[in-house]
Amino acid sequence: QSALTQPASVSGSPGQSIAISCTGTSSDVGGYNYVSWYQQQSGKAPKLIIYDVTKRPSGVSDRFSGSKSGNTASLTISGLQAEDEANYYCSSFTTSTPPWVFGGGTKLTVL
Amino acid sequence: EVQLVESGGGLVQPGGSLRLSCVVSGFTFNDYAMTWVRQAPGKGLEWVSTIGSRGGSSDGDSTYYADSVKGRFTVSRDTSKNILYLQMNSLRAEDTAVYYCAKDLTLGITMVQLDHWGQGTLVTVSS
Repeated sequence: QSALTQPASVSGSPGQSIAISCTGTSSDVGGYNYVSWYQQQSGKAPKLIIYDVTKRPSGVSDRFSGSKSGNTASLTISGLQAEDEANYYCSSFTTSTPPWVFGGGTKLTVL
Repeated sequence: EVQLVESGGGLVQPGGSLRLSCVVSGFTFNDYAMTWVRQAPGKGLEWVSTIGSRGGSSDGDSTYYADSVKGRFTVSRDTSKNILYLQMNSLRAEDTAVYYCAKDLTLGITMVQLDHWGQGTLVTVSS
């Protein structure tokens, strides 16, 4: 069982916005600004899309944004496109062991 | 261009050993923490192990392991060859997964925010 809880699946139509939550505790998400998000398209390696809760690496579309409230981080994707269909994983530093954890992943379906 | 290329995966019997390699290029290997992440077939990502950077950080060459592999896996790096290793001993069926090596985003800090990944190498533990 993952230390970070994500919904198993979300869906949306092209052009819509969706949000994926990542719930932890004060020992991880709530206590530190070291939440990252990864996109994994089918058959490919994961790709970093958000780090430090809200920052985007160079080259990542500004349709992707991150936020945090309390012990829950969120990834928002605006203007959904077919190419956004993928699995999304959150990750955080934690004072528990192990010191880094991934969420269980969320499958995004673009209808 | 940053590149990470894993190799060494394959079929191994329970109790056996494998050594995975990850050849890196396009960045100063010493300066960044490196991580192994695995993904069992049809499952999510699992953090396996991290080795800290050597360049100006407080945890140079410190190593960290998931409880599920502690005492069985060893992470190391050869900076003369730009290769990251994962020595895996006493392998179990539940270690079956694609193993990815990945580079930390920030120079000199171990934060496991991974901005470059290899293509992965499949390890299958079965008799």
